[in-house]
Amino acid sequence: QQQVKQSPQSLIVQKGGISIINCAYENTAFDYFPWYQQFPGKGPALLIAIRPDVSEKKEGRFTISFNKSAKQFSLHIMDSQPGDSATYFCAASKASGANNLFFGTGTRLTVIP
Amino acid sequence: EPEVTQTPSHQVTQMGQEVILRCVPISNHLYFYWYRQILGQKVEFLVSFYNNEISEKSEIFDDQFSVERPDGSNFTLKIRSTKLEDSAMYFCASSVGTSNQPQHFGDGTRLSIL
Repeated sequence: QQQVKQSPQSLIVQKGGISIINCAYENTAFDYFPWYQQFPGKGPALLIAIRPDVSEKKEGRFTISFNKSAKQFSLHIMDSQPGDSATYFCAASKASGANNLFFGTGTRLTVIP
Repeated sequence: EPEVTQTPSHQVTQMGQEVILRCVPISNHLYFYWYRQILGQKVEFLVSFYNNEISEKSEIFDDQFSVERPDGSNFTLKIRSTKLEDSAMYFCASSVGTSNQPQHFGDGTRLSIL
């Protein structure tokens, strides 16, 4: 059972462009939605996270848009840079329990100069 | 900045052997997790641990798996009799609390079963 669906699987963007990665979830008990960035040989690193009481959160060049009614959220990377080339995972967790994360399948982003 | 450390970075083991993966969580964190990532696939939750006991576990975490906090700093994952399909990256994570506190991940242990 796939709790969190992520698309696209891979993405190629020109330097300076906008990278957009989308995720959807089914479980309405989810109430925390982080995005993780993973470089080869490294563990996932928390990038930005949102709770469903807001529709958008921005940190620097990274923005999460959240649509509670559609059960969808997306990551926008503005002014994409070659250093942003990595795999991005969306995730979700519930408020109750130990907050274990359900991850999406990942998006491999390549930013070309 | 404090970080989660995992050892070894790579473990090669014969099928059927026991393996112990080690993690040192961030010192003031109270919740500990193990995840695994099969090559090219998503990160999957295995188990969470709090107050010296398992909080939640997934279907993957069967009787072959166990976790322990043997002292005040280490958090270990033991696989009793490894199978080929246990080959994966294993990530340890920790958080200061629940209520959706951020989970911080280590760089993982690559487990290769021969």
